Amino acid sequence: SAVISQKPSRDICQRGTSLTIQCQVDSQVTMMFWYRQQPGQSLTLIATANQGSEATYESGFVIDKFPISRPNLTFSTLTVSNMSPEDSSIYLCSVRQGGNYEQYFGPGTRLTVT
Amino acid sequence: KQEVTQIPAALSVPEGENLVLNCSFTDSAIYNLQWFRQDPGKGLTSLLLIQSSQREQTSGRLNASLDKSSGRSTLYIAASQPGDSATYLCAVRPDSGYALNFGKGTSLLVTP
Repeated sequence: SAVISQKPSRDICQRGTSLTIQCQVDSQVTMMFWYRQQPGQSLTLIATANQGSEATYESGFVIDKFPISRPNLTFSTLTVSNMSPEDSSIYLCSVRQGGNYEQYFGPGTRLTVT
Repeated sequence: KQEVTQIPAALSVPEGENLVLNCSFTDSAIYNLQWFRQDPGKGLTSLLLIQSSQREQTSGRLNASLDKSSGRSTLYIAASQPGDSATYLCAVRPDSGYALNFGKGTSLLVTP
């Protein structure tokens, strides 16, 4: 199974600022996914990031707010821009591996916006 | 739009009990279903993956079943232990698309 690390593990940020979250995988993967888990809610997919192409965003999420980079097959970043308290969530990086498409998740980044 | 519901939302049992967590989904056009465990403030740990063509999967004290036609899955935990205390999430992958559709989870507390 893939081992995924994220940085930072948590942060407290002020309204209007931006935070970049890093995701590192221990093996090469084609697709990386970014999910958000708001307090008391289920996980929601933000975008899918393929190496060498623009990320694909889900309905309700836009590139200006959540720019994503995917410079190689083991690394991705998600930036949360111009933050507001509503952005306070856990952000999780995810990959899928194997022929059965099992999905693996990183430890998450807990973001609090004040 | 796929809706995933997990019942109960919370469950407290004494150590040693066998228990069942339920997951239902509205669209049977799924590729697979995955059960995860989430500890407080942590990421998700994959427990079991069931392909749409399978009926069940087992790992240790865990057994997951899938009835695709009725839109239901259950996670059976045998001889529960305090270390099993966590939130259990059910997620379905549709036949098309990449997004996993998650339920809100069942928060399990196993008391010594």
